[in-house]
Amino acid sequence: DQQVKQNSPSLSVQEGRISILNCDYTNSMFDYFLWYKKYPAEGPTFLISISSIKDKNEDGRFTVFLNKSAKHLSLHIVPSQPGDSAVYFCAASQGGSEKLVFGKGTKLTVNP
Amino acid sequence: ETGVTQTPRHLVMGMTNKKSLKCEQHLGHNAMYWYKQSAKKPLELMFVYNFKEQTENNSVPSRFSPECPNSSHLFLHLHTLQPEDSALYLCASNVSPGGWNTIYFGEGSWLTVV
Repeated sequence: DQQVKQNSPSLSVQEGRISILNCDYTNSMFDYFLWYKKYPAEGPTFLISISSIKDKNEDGRFTVFLNKSAKHLSLHIVPSQPGDSAVYFCAASQGGSEKLVFGKGTKLTVNP
Repeated sequence: ETGVTQTPRHLVMGMTNKKSLKCEQHLGHNAMYWYKQSAKKPLELMFVYNFKEQTENNSVPSRFSPECPNSSHLFLHLHTLQPEDSALYLCASNVSPGGWNTIYFGEGSWLTVV
């Protein structure tokens, strides 16, 4: 049973608009959440993270929101750029463990 | 360039072949991992090595045999694989065991079993 779910396999957005990628989790013991970005033919690269003691973390154009009661997090990209086109993976960690549990990913396409 | 290098990038092997995937990290990290990504499935952790010692085997079949001769190198030996083992195999390294936010991935090795 998947503990981390990204229910949208793909998302298409116009350049300059906001991209919102969603992630749901089932394990209430997860306390760190990460977003990774993956271009074709490359490995995932770390993008942004949030710990469960926060509900928002911002880094430039990227903001991650965490709703613990709903077991839901989202990644906002504003404004979206064509170079943001990639697959975005949500991942979770329990107790700060290195053993990350990943979602299936959402492919974001930002159209010029 | 993340500092984690995997070879080969693409591998096609028969079910009776023996082959190996290699991973090398140039970051001075002390933990290394193998992940597997099958089609339409999430990334799954396979093995964890901390200071060259295996600390996690996530119920991986014995036809996958990892080897970690030192903290910089990690191998995945493959023997009598099945077509369903075709997947992207990702190596990753970590500054130190237990850290959740300092994991760096390699570019992956695409494996096709025919």
